[in-house]
Amino acid sequence: DAGITQSPRHKVTETGTPVTLRCHQTENHRYMYWYRQDPGHGLRLIHYSYGVKDTDKGEVSDGYSVSRSKTEDFLLTLESATSSQTSVYFCAISVEWSGAYEQYFGPGTRLTVT
Amino acid sequence: AQSVTQPDIHITVSEGASLELRCNYSYGATPYLFWYVQSPGQGLQLLLKYFSGDTLVQGIKGFEAEFKRSQSSFNLRKPSVHWSDAAEYFCAVGGTTSGTYKYIFGTGTRLKVLA
Repeated sequence: DAGITQSPRHKVTETGTPVTLRCHQTENHRYMYWYRQDPGHGLRLIHYSYGVKDTDKGEVSDGYSVSRSKTEDFLLTLESATSSQTSVYFCAISVEWSGAYEQYFGPGTRLTVT
Repeated sequence: AQSVTQPDIHITVSEGASLELRCNYSYGATPYLFWYVQSPGQGLQLLLKYFSGDTLVQGIKGFEAEFKRSQSSFNLRKPSVHWSDAAEYFCAVGGTTSGTYKYIFGTGTRLKVLA
């Protein structure tokens, strides 16, 4: 257990509404990530963070923004949700081990956009 | 381009049979390689990892994987599958890009175990 929680765990929202997903970690790890998981696509990186206020885009960042004002929290915002953003969203952290990093995941948030 | 390929979308084996899940990668530098398992409705759990050294690595739940640089492969194996191994398995490659650490995941292999 890497001490990662995600909230909410499930959410149904309407097209066009803003949505914010929260990822919280308890161990002050530097790197945090947001992925989406869709059938046939595996996990795709949306955004990641390498420190407070330091974030960058992943491969599927369009329509998403992130913020990290504290080490322990990494927020993912869908400014105006669309049906194509229906997915399961996973937060992850990287933990250094012997000079390299291994990644641990939160339990996920299932988002449905109607 | 960096990529991970898991050529088998679905695999079905009988309980007690051996298992091999394939993973091929394309990565410019020395890769860090991982296998994760995901049970239905759950998050991803790290099974094993390869960073350096011995190319045969052992993981949890009786799994092992072998790194073959010449074949750009990191196949996952288990000598005798249990019904509880039914899940989806993801191979991933990680490394440092521009000073930050990122990962690329394969599309997954779903394992079905027959009693």
